[in-house]
Amino acid sequence: DAGVTQSPTHLIKTRGQQVTLRCSPKSGHDTVSWYQQALGQGPQFIFQYYEEEERQRGNFPDRFSGHQFPNYSSELNVNALLLGDSALYLCASSLLQVRMGREAFFGQGTRLTVV
Amino acid sequence: AQSVTQPDIHITVSEGASLELRCNYSYGATPYLFWYVQSPGQGLQLLLKYFSGDTLVQGIKGFEAEFKRSQSSFNLRKPSVHWSDAAEYFCAVGMTNAGKSTFGDGTTLTVKP
Repeated sequence: DAGVTQSPTHLIKTRGQQVTLRCSPKSGHDTVSWYQQALGQGPQFIFQYYEEEERQRGNFPDRFSGHQFPNYSSELNVNALLLGDSALYLCASSLLQVRMGREAFFGQGTRLTVV
Repeated sequence: AQSVTQPDIHITVSEGASLELRCNYSYGATPYLFWYVQSPGQGLQLLLKYFSGDTLVQGIKGFEAEFKRSQSSFNLRKPSVHWSDAAEYFCAVGMTNAGKSTFGDGTTLTVKP
């Protein structure tokens, strides 16, 4: 089992550009959540996808958008990049319908640097 | 609104000494609570979780945590720290640990030889 995989691992973009980050969930999982972790802070929830729809959203602007594909993989898109978007972006996958022990598994993250 | 406070930004302990990392939460309902560990440049690994039942929860790597509703706390403990435990530790609260979970800002653990 490959677990949660994210690509790329590192990325450097210029302010104003657009970026797409990718996530493949753990085998058997149907839900993907994205988090932003700025340096020295805890992860902050961006949004969650289930059945190809956004279920929940954190306090992030519309520049942050996502998509989930039929195979449950997901993309995070950020438009009009700002210097403040530099962070580690984490993807977490889980199985939504499990009532107890809804454990999520995290990927290694994508380190985005905006210059 | 839910929130998590980890009062200690940085803790240093000697190898073999005991460890306690503090976590206080604010949540409007019965919380689900989690502790994660993160090594530099890595993702998060779940150490343990509390959903219900016994308030003393055992996790991986010899860690345990105790849920105290009256104090709104979920402190992480380990009786004897190993050098490999040096990392960043995050406490989180939410309905699940994917979705609108809220994380604290973390405690950095340094282990002295």
